[in-house]
Amino acid sequence: KNEVEQSPQNLTAQEGEFITINCSYSVGISALHWLQQHPGGGIVSLFMLSSGKKKHGRLIATINIQEKHSSLHITASHPRDSAVYICAVRSMASGSRLTFGEGTQLTVNP
Amino acid sequence: DAGVTQSPTHLIKTRGQQVTLRCSPKSGHDTVSWYQQALGQGPQFIFQYYEEEERQRGNFPDRFSGHQFPNYSSELNVNALLLGDSALYLCASSLAGRGVDTDTQYFGPGTRLTVL
Repeated sequence: KNEVEQSPQNLTAQEGEFITINCSYSVGISALHWLQQHPGGGIVSLFMLSSGKKKHGRLIATINIQEKHSSLHITASHPRDSAVYICAVRSMASGSRLTFGEGTQLTVNP
Repeated sequence: DAGVTQSPTHLIKTRGQQVTLRCSPKSGHDTVSWYQQALGQGPQFIFQYYEEEERQRGNFPDRFSGHQFPNYSSELNVNALLLGDSALYLCASSLAGRGVDTDTQYFGPGTRLTVL
């Protein structure tokens, strides 16, 4: 079992829909990252969380440390949101190295 | 302020050859991490360099080695290439020892290596 599990693996939505991507992890962590990867490979950091909730524009990230679970929400989705969304954790034992989930491929159709 | 840069962007090699990939960290960052991302999978941690030394290492064979220079830039070397080494190699930089809230990793665009 991977230390970081994401669901769903693939997600197709219509423009305007509310989207949720989930991440569960099995280790104690010091921080959790949500990352966005577009075709071609470049990775952009969206959020880094250690507790609670963060919001940036139409993106919201939440984390429940007790349940070892995080969610990334996208409100009013748009075709330009189409990308791979990756959850990554920094475990308490691993310093600053990140352990990644396998990603969620999101496609938003117009 | 340039972000993380990597070179080359694409590379094609044959089995058994050696390859060197390069990374320049974001200005002000002193720590460089390397990741391998196979097609359709999440990145896997290779190793991390800080103060010109390998500080942490993932589950990669000794064929994978690296170096960090005094200006904090870094190289990843892979010897005796195998077909399975074909992947996107990502470099990420960060600033060490500043605590959770500031330890954000910034990623480069990656080098796509194809081994034939």
